[in-house]
Amino acid sequence: QKEVEQDPGPLSVPEGAIVSLNCTYSNSAFQYFMWYRQYSRKGPELLMYTYSSGNKEDGRFTAQVDKSSKYISLFIRDSQPSDSATYLCAMSSPNQAGTALIFGKGTTLSVSS
Amino acid sequence: DGGITQSPKYLFRKEGQNVTLSCEQNLNHDAMYWYRQDPGQGLRLIYYSQIVNDFQKGDIAEGYSVSREKKESFPLTVTSAQKNPTAFYLCASSIVRGGGTNEKLFFGSGTQLSVL
Repeated sequence: QKEVEQDPGPLSVPEGAIVSLNCTYSNSAFQYFMWYRQYSRKGPELLMYTYSSGNKEDGRFTAQVDKSSKYISLFIRDSQPSDSATYLCAMSSPNQAGTALIFGKGTTLSVSS
Repeated sequence: DGGITQSPKYLFRKEGQNVTLSCEQNLNHDAMYWYRQDPGQGLRLIYYSQIVNDFQKGDIAEGYSVSREKKESFPLTVTSAQKNPTAFYLCASSIVRGGGTNEKLFFGSGTQLSVL
């Protein structure tokens, strides 16, 4: 089983829809959870950062972490064409000296106007 | 503006040639990373460095080399031993916390390397 699983999509929705993006993971030591957004041929940019369990909201974006189910989600409300991008989940555990994040493979989202 | 600068944006390699990708950051971050991104493959770690003059291999280091002579710079050389170098290469940096946890990576804009 891979450490982080993410459905690659593609996911196509109409403008204004609510989008749900998800990742599952197997390592119960993960405590830091992130979502990155990557536009085509650009570097990923950090969108949401969550420590341990719970929800975090930032504008139209909400990140949820359910450590008991080893499941994280990113919700996008009132989706816009400018949200069309690839979304990468990433996570890490504390005390991983010298180790970088573990990334999912990314979900490609297309929002049509 | 603080950030990470990668150059060139596009690079072409001939058979048997070594090429070097540049990565410079002015964020005063201790740690720097190189990732390779292929379609449908996600990000794969090539090399990382947490301190000047020290670096470690990632998951796919074969055919690549790096140096870290300055805190701000972490160039990646794609050697002729890398038989399938065509990919999008991303450089990143982060603050190294006391426990060694390296969350919150900040990425450059990437270099697309292609083989002629």
